[in-house]
Amino acid sequence: EIVMTQSPATLSVSPGERATLSCRASQSVTNNLAWYQQKPGQAPRLLIYGASARAADIPARFSGSGSGTEFTLTISSLQSEDFAVYYCQQYNNWPGTFGQGTKVEIK
Amino acid sequence: QVQLVQSGAEVKKPGSSVKVSCKASGGTFSTYTFSWVRQAPGQGLEWMGGIIPILGTTNYAQKVQGRVTITADESTSTAYMELNSLRSEDTAVYYCARGDSNDYFLFNYWGQGTLVTVSS
Repeated sequence: EIVMTQSPATLSVSPGERATLSCRASQSVTNNLAWYQQKPGQAPRLLIYGASARAADIPARFSGSGSGTEFTLTISSLQSEDFAVYYCQQYNNWPGTFGQGTKVEIK
Repeated sequence: QVQLVQSGAEVKKPGSSVKVSCKASGGTFSTYTFSWVRQAPGQGLEWMGGIIPILGTTNYAQKVQGRVTITADESTSTAYMELNSLRSEDTAVYYCARGDSNDYFLFNYWGQGTLVTVSS
């Protein structure tokens, strides 16, 4: 199965700053890459699919890029509600696999 | 409006079984796929298996193959996940998640989660 590796494990960012999260696949997943946000005690929420398309009702400050094996999630100006854990997931190959997550915390 | 509503928390003894339900509303139940994803305390997300109700086909992760059974009842728009021979390491929050026929593993809707605690 495809292994998804996220970096860094923890990202400390001040409100209003930009956050850049990385995700690498062990083999090409073309652009079948999703990003999810999870807050404590809540289910994951789909943010990005197709590597760069925002899901419904997701603010424009969230953007995704990349293809093949290297992907990036950028949060342009962090709001208080954005501090959470973010997971990438490939859905190109069976089974879909998740990265281990990046925690975005308040600096 | 799509909603996935799961059954409540469970406490089980090692070696026993648990069955978790996920009732869907909004959309045509049988045309979507339903997967179960679990999250152990403080850990990441792990896909366990899924079902395509319209085809009746199921797929399971190798790690739980043989212990897990996923079913769907189209008459009540409910998916079920049953896990047998429970171990302490099965303690986790179990989520159901909806995919679609084109992207089995792209989960745009999730249930609220069900905590299953395995303890003697």
